Amino acid sequence: DGGITQSPKYLFRKEGQNVTLSCEQNLNHDAMYWYRQDPGQGLRLIYYSQIVNDFQKGDIAEGYSVSREKKESFPLTVTSAQKNPTAFYLCASSIDGPAKNQPQHFGDGTRLSIL
Amino acid sequence: DAKTTQPTSMDCAEGRAANLPCNHSTISGNEYVYWYRQIHSQGPQYIIHGLKNNETNEMASLIITEDRKSSTLILPHATLRDTAVYYCTQKNSGNTPLVFGKGTRLSVIA
Repeated sequence: DGGITQSPKYLFRKEGQNVTLSCEQNLNHDAMYWYRQDPGQGLRLIYYSQIVNDFQKGDIAEGYSVSREKKESFPLTVTSAQKNPTAFYLCASSIDGPAKNQPQHFGDGTRLSIL
Repeated sequence: DAKTTQPTSMDCAEGRAANLPCNHSTISGNEYVYWYRQIHSQGPQYIIHGLKNNETNEMASLIITEDRKSSTLILPHATLRDTAVYYCTQKNSGNTPLVFGKGTRLSVIA
């Protein structure tokens, strides 16, 4: 089935370690997005990419890095510079075709806990 | 920051219609209104979107006021499985990111 796959669902890391969250889509979507969600809060944008080999910072990019080498993949690295990385991370994608108002579709998220 | 405002929480009796309001008073002419919902520990699920006409699909109906400054999402016969946080958001066409507020926590009560 077509969709967005985030892995793993739960991730534990020691403080000070970098960690990479995976996001893969087989929807042939051009754009991909990373959001962070803290308990009881809405989603905040970390980074987004509208096309391969290009990406833009969102509202809370500090302490994170991304790459977009392939259309279907948009991994997010949480670096040791991120002061409070424990959160729920959500990946999304969208297409900007002839119908330019297509919605974003989300994966099921990765819950990161720093020990 | 989110450009939409929604009530923090609402209750609805099972089997009744759930009407969730959203204010988007600064919406521009080319911006669409999108509704999503999020069940605990899952990714947001797309529900419906519209520009200025009312829209209906198998999940819900979207009523947009004539001045486009507010909208209402209607779940015609709410079930317990509709208990979730509902987000109203807006954006223009193209691959620009959605901006989310805190949404409305809908509790469907048996």
